[in-house]
Amino acid sequence: DAGVTQSPTHLIKTRGQQVTLRCSPISGHKSVSWYQQVLGQGPQFIFQYYEKEERGRGNFPDRFSARQFPNYSSELNVNALLLGDSALYLCASSSTLTGEGYTFGSGTRLTVV
Amino acid sequence: AQRVTQPEKLLSVFKGAPVELKCNYSYSGSPELFWYVQYSRQRLQLLLRHISRESIKGFTADLNKGETSFHLKKPFAQEEDSAMYYCALRNYNQGGKLIFGQGTELSVKP
Repeated sequence: DAGVTQSPTHLIKTRGQQVTLRCSPISGHKSVSWYQQVLGQGPQFIFQYYEKEERGRGNFPDRFSARQFPNYSSELNVNALLLGDSALYLCASSSTLTGEGYTFGSGTRLTVV
Repeated sequence: AQRVTQPEKLLSVFKGAPVELKCNYSYSGSPELFWYVQYSRQRLQLLLRHISRESIKGFTADLNKGETSFHLKKPFAQEEDSAMYYCALRNYNQGGKLIFGQGTELSVKP
């Protein structure tokens, strides 16, 4: 098993553009969560999806959206990018809603210029 | 509001010295606390959780509800313990949402 895989690994976008980040969970894991990690800070919760339904949303603007597909993979979309969206975006998967045994991916480094 | 505070950004010790990484939290209800670790160029990974009460790589952490703390301790630090450590709290009201502290960088010198 390759673990949690995220793509792309690095991305550079211009202010105002839109971006889509992708995450494939560990086989059998039905829960996917997204976190934003700004340099020098801990990860901050954005979304959790379980069985293709949104189960939690963090304090992020509506420019951030996500979805989970029937194969439990997930996409995070960010519209109208701002410089402050530059961060490492982490995906974590778990077999349960409550997140026991979270496994994190390596992340996507997004730079907005 | 739920919050996790790690007061030290950097903790530097010599090999063989005891280590204590501090974590304080604010939460109403029964929290579940975790320590995550990120070694250089590796993924964030779970080190231990208070429910399991186990010792991983010589590290232990005890939940002190009176002091709202979950400090991470190791009696004798090793160079390979050098990493970024994050304390996290799980919010039962929102599924598996984790609230992380800012992290403490542990540097163990030879």
